[in-house]
Amino acid sequence: DTGVSQNPRHKITKRGQNVTFRCDPISEHNRLYWYRQTLGQGPEFLTYFQNEAQLEKSRLLSDRFSAERPKGSFSTLEIQRTEQGDSAMYLCASSPYIGGGQETQYFGPGTRLLVL
Amino acid sequence: AQKITQTQPGMFVQEKEAVTLDCTYDTSDPSYGLFWYKQPSSGEMIFLIYQGSYDQQNATEGRYSLNFQKARKSANLVISASQLGDSAMYFCAMREGRRDSSYKLIFGSGTRLLVRP
Repeated sequence: DTGVSQNPRHKITKRGQNVTFRCDPISEHNRLYWYRQTLGQGPEFLTYFQNEAQLEKSRLLSDRFSAERPKGSFSTLEIQRTEQGDSAMYLCASSPYIGGGQETQYFGPGTRLLVL
Repeated sequence: AQKITQTQPGMFVQEKEAVTLDCTYDTSDPSYGLFWYKQPSSGEMIFLIYQGSYDQQNATEGRYSLNFQKARKSANLVISASQLGDSAMYFCAMREGRRDSSYKLIFGSGTRLLVRP
């Protein structure tokens, strides 16, 4: 049973460039989450999908950010016109839907973004 | 609003001893879940243990146990027989269990644990 995978693991880009990250969840999980973690802080919620539907977006997700999950499988997170403040670890997690809030989210290894 | 507080930025423990990492939470929802994750320097968040708000007994998973005190709104993680590999950041997290909730996790700021040989 493979876990959550994320690609790339590291990304260095120049300010103003666009970047795209990919997340492949655990195959039977229909919920997928994106979080952002800055140095010395806990992860902060960005958005989540149930199957292919994006059901919630955080205020942290500015207009430059867009996420998709076509066909309810893998997901992509794109950042347009990157800024230095976007430098962070981007974490993806997935969970099954059980109900009652008892699902455990399993995280991928993250994509570490550095904007120069 | 939901909030998780971890007041210990860093902790030391001697190898083979037990250590308690503190976590307090705030929520108005009677149904919620509490989680602990470990984050080694590699960056991956590793799930350790879960406690539901209606669970009568404290959760245990191997060397990890959760000291759940509902009236005090605390959910401390106890690691017994510490090992060098336990050195990492530890995050406490909470999720509300309402039907209309996104089930997103709210994380604390973490505690860095260093196990001394």
